[in-house]
Amino acid sequence: GPKVLQIPSHQIIDMGQMVTLNCDPVSNHLYFYWYKQILGQQMEFLVNFYNGKVMEKSKLFKDQFSVERPDGSYFTLKIQPTALEDSAVYFCASSLWQGEQYFGPGTRLTVL
Amino acid sequence: GDSVTQTEGLVTLTEGLPVMLNCTYQSTYSPFLFWYVQHLNEAPKLLLKSFTDNKRPEHQGFHATLHKSSSSFHLQKSSAQLSDSALYYCALSAATGGNNKLTFGQGTVLSVIP
Repeated sequence: GPKVLQIPSHQIIDMGQMVTLNCDPVSNHLYFYWYKQILGQQMEFLVNFYNGKVMEKSKLFKDQFSVERPDGSYFTLKIQPTALEDSAVYFCASSLWQGEQYFGPGTRLTVL
Repeated sequence: GDSVTQTEGLVTLTEGLPVMLNCTYQSTYSPFLFWYVQHLNEAPKLLLKSFTDNKRPEHQGFHATLHKSSSSFHLQKSSAQLSDSALYYCALSAATGGNNKLTFGQGTVLSVIP
């Protein structure tokens, strides 16, 4: 079936540095999402994105977070600067108009 | 706001026994309910989705019935297989509006043993 890819699978960085998480969504999908899962907790919605714009963001989507899809390719989540509490697994998802969301395998981010 | 509760963190079953994973929800709308399954080191994948006409969705032997009166969408299977061992998430999405964000439960690990 359709696959969403996420690059890298793991990322370790020092607190205060910038990090960009990359998502390669299903090619004809229109809606893009990021979810955050802290170890031992449930997955939580961060943000969704359509037609070049953020549609909705949760309270977890801090000012240090930004998303974009330059050149219609990768959908990216940038965190600048990172904080210790940003350590988590970040899942990307994509969908057609209100259809099934297809998830990537996640990027495990560790902030030291 | 919306919330989903999965009361069991871990369910261990012997192969061949029936499976039931609990899911209850709270929502101000009439939501769609979903079950996602995640095998080790893989992406979560959609297993089942509730229908607006209350038909019972089925996939890979699993089924779930949306009971609005009790706000539940429990996942069931008549006979567990070793390959069913995975992490199962219940989730909901509001039926109204253009936003399709998912609200997840805590997840239940199903471990099927021989």
